[in-house]
Amino acid sequence: DAKTTQPTSMDCAEGRAANLPCNHSTISGNEYVYWYRQIHSQGPQYIIHGLKNNETNEMASLIITEDRKSSTLILPHATLRDTAVYYCIVGPTGTASKLTFGTGTRLQVTL
Amino acid sequence: SAVISQKPSRDICQRGTSLTIQCQVDSQVTMMFWYRQQPGQSLTLIATANQGSEATYESGFVIDKFPISRPNLTFSTLTVSNMSPEDSSIYLCSHGGGTEAFFGQGTRLTVV
Repeated sequence: DAKTTQPTSMDCAEGRAANLPCNHSTISGNEYVYWYRQIHSQGPQYIIHGLKNNETNEMASLIITEDRKSSTLILPHATLRDTAVYYCIVGPTGTASKLTFGTGTRLQVTL
Repeated sequence: SAVISQKPSRDICQRGTSLTIQCQVDSQVTMMFWYRQQPGQSLTLIATANQGSEATYESGFVIDKFPISRPNLTFSTLTVSNMSPEDSSIYLCSHGGGTEAFFGQGTRLTVV
């Protein structure tokens, strides 16, 4: 599986946009970019995924560079409840595909 | 989206004993996954469980230590055998794989 590199931690003021970067320079052509988050004492939660086009859903936006070597997860208006560890994962699609978690980014949203 | 429930949510066990963790999904799913999350660390995949066949274990995990059952398409168990304090972790089950995986709330295991 391709590896990802994320900053260890980030801070964001409540109400501001949180932009979480991820590098995945060895991603292969059929691998997707997935984002999950883990709020303290809970199981990981799916946020969004994409192949090469930018994606948006009710939770976030995903911006993937044209060369697909990096991506950014955007939480448009961060709230205190968005404080969590955010994991960027690359891998094939399909329900049988296992997820390989990296170290993630610990996002702290503050007042 | 299939709801996934896991139990027990936490347990404190004596070293040398075994604990079986149960994972129930409210609809039929093909593959289920078991992860370990050591204190302050990320998730590490233990094995993939497919109904009707033996689980596939990741490097560093063996069946004798972490036997897995998958008797039907809605249920799986993970046993942590002959426990030592190093096994103190959160254990999580999931289904769904790449597209949109769903996770149980986890079992927080403390071995004393």
